[in-house]
Amino acid sequence: DTAVSQTPKYLVTQMGNDKSIKCEQNLGHDTMYWYKQDSKKFLKIMFSYNNKELIINETVPNRFSPKSPDKAHLNLHINSLELGDSAVYFCASSQGTGGRTDTQYFGPGTRLTVL
Amino acid sequence: GQNIDQPTEMTATEGAIVQINCTYQTSGFNGLFWYQQHAGEAPTFLSYNVLDGLEEKGRFSSFLSRSKGYSYLLLKELQMKDSASYLCAWYSSASKIIFGSGTRLSIRP
Repeated sequence: DTAVSQTPKYLVTQMGNDKSIKCEQNLGHDTMYWYKQDSKKFLKIMFSYNNKELIINETVPNRFSPKSPDKAHLNLHINSLELGDSAVYFCASSQGTGGRTDTQYFGPGTRLTVL
Repeated sequence: GQNIDQPTEMTATEGAIVQINCTYQTSGFNGLFWYQQHAGEAPTFLSYNVLDGLEEKGRFSSFLSRSKGYSYLLLKELQMKDSASYLCAWYSSASKIIFGSGTRLSIRP
């Protein structure tokens, strides 16, 4: 009965490859997010979707493409992976109607290592 | 970075009290979150403040002063399991949560 789940948990790949990370939430939330946490532990928002619509798109290279097939799923596809993409990627969800209801519930994270 | 500041590291003793401070940009402010993150794990929600004052929740309390752009997290009766990073996060009017880089708290016996 995991609330927010991500797969895979670990991903090790070569530079230049394309990879995807999947996220699912069973909380009935309307909003989902992707965050990147780098080696300095700085957690930075990348994208946010509300009911399958993109609402936040931070300054992220267009090699990163999120896709939300329905409001319970938000996947992240990364093309032409670079060394600097190595980080932990967290998916999160919230009710998304403002204030306390935007409390983020995080998935376990995907540790991406690009060699 | 991103107009939110907190100390990088703190150390405290088991059983003691520790206060972790956070300052943030006041324009477009819509609330302030505190999260706890143990090493190798996901952040988990601790508290949310939108009005001035202190909110207490068991051993943890969070304080907010909107006019000063200042918040703190107070942890009492420290336990070894409280060793973690504590992330202050500012909720902007654009429905975006901006996280600080976190304060790594080490508890010594």
